[in-house]
Amino acid sequence: SQELEQSPQSLIVQEGKNLTINCTSSKTLYGLYWYKQKYGEGLIFLMMLQKGGEEKSHEKITAKLDEKKQQSSLHITASQPSHAGIYLCGADTDGANSKLTFGKGITLSVRP
Amino acid sequence: GAVVSQHPSRVICKSGTSVKIECRSLDFQATTMFWYRQFPKQSLMLMATSNEGSKATYEQGVEKDKFLINHASLTLSTLTVTSAHPEDSSFYICSVRILDTQYFGPGTRLTVL
Repeated sequence: SQELEQSPQSLIVQEGKNLTINCTSSKTLYGLYWYKQKYGEGLIFLMMLQKGGEEKSHEKITAKLDEKKQQSSLHITASQPSHAGIYLCGADTDGANSKLTFGKGITLSVRP
Repeated sequence: GAVVSQHPSRVICKSGTSVKIECRSLDFQATTMFWYRQFPKQSLMLMATSNEGSKATYEQGVEKDKFLINHASLTLSTLTVTSAHPEDSSFYICSVRILDTQYFGPGTRLTVL
C-alpha cells in the first residue's frame, strides 16, 4: 500500500517567516494533492501535482513535485496567522485519480 | 462556493442507535463518492467508495454491514452507522472527484454516548 510521510510533524513560525513542509511517498506518485484543514472542519483544496518537476503557486503558497515523483514540498512565503492549520498531502494510489491515501498531516502555527 | 455538502454537521446519539449522514454534490453529478473517517489527531482513512446504482466498495477492515452506504442518485450518497458504539465516534467526511480534483465536504462529527 502507499505510504506517505509528512515532515515535520508540527511547526511553529513567527509571522512573516518563510517555511517549507514535505511529503514523501514510498511509491511513485500518480498525483499528489495538498489540502489544508482546520481542526474539526473539512478539507480545503490547495493544489494538485501530477508531472515530475511540476510546480504550482497560489498566492503565497508554492508546491513542487520532484522529478522522480516521490516527494513533494509546500512552501509558504511570508507566513500569516491565516496560514495556520493542518496541511495534509494525499496521493492518488492507483493512477485512476480515484481514492486518495493521506499522510498524517502537519500542524502549522503562526505566531503574530 | 461549496462543492460538497454534508448533513448533519454534528450528531450525538446513544449507543445502539443508527445514524445517517448525507453527502451531496452541489453542482456536479457524481457517479462515485468517497467516505473517509478521521480520528482525533490522525489522518483521513478511506472507508469505502460509493458507486451510483451499485454496491459500495469497502476498504479492508471496514464492516459493510455496520457502515451502510447508499448512492441512490448522482448527487446524493448516504452513510448509515448502524448500532453505533462509542468507538464509532469520529469525524466522517465525504469527497467527490470532479475532473482531476477531489473536493471534500465539511464533515460530520459523530459522538456516541
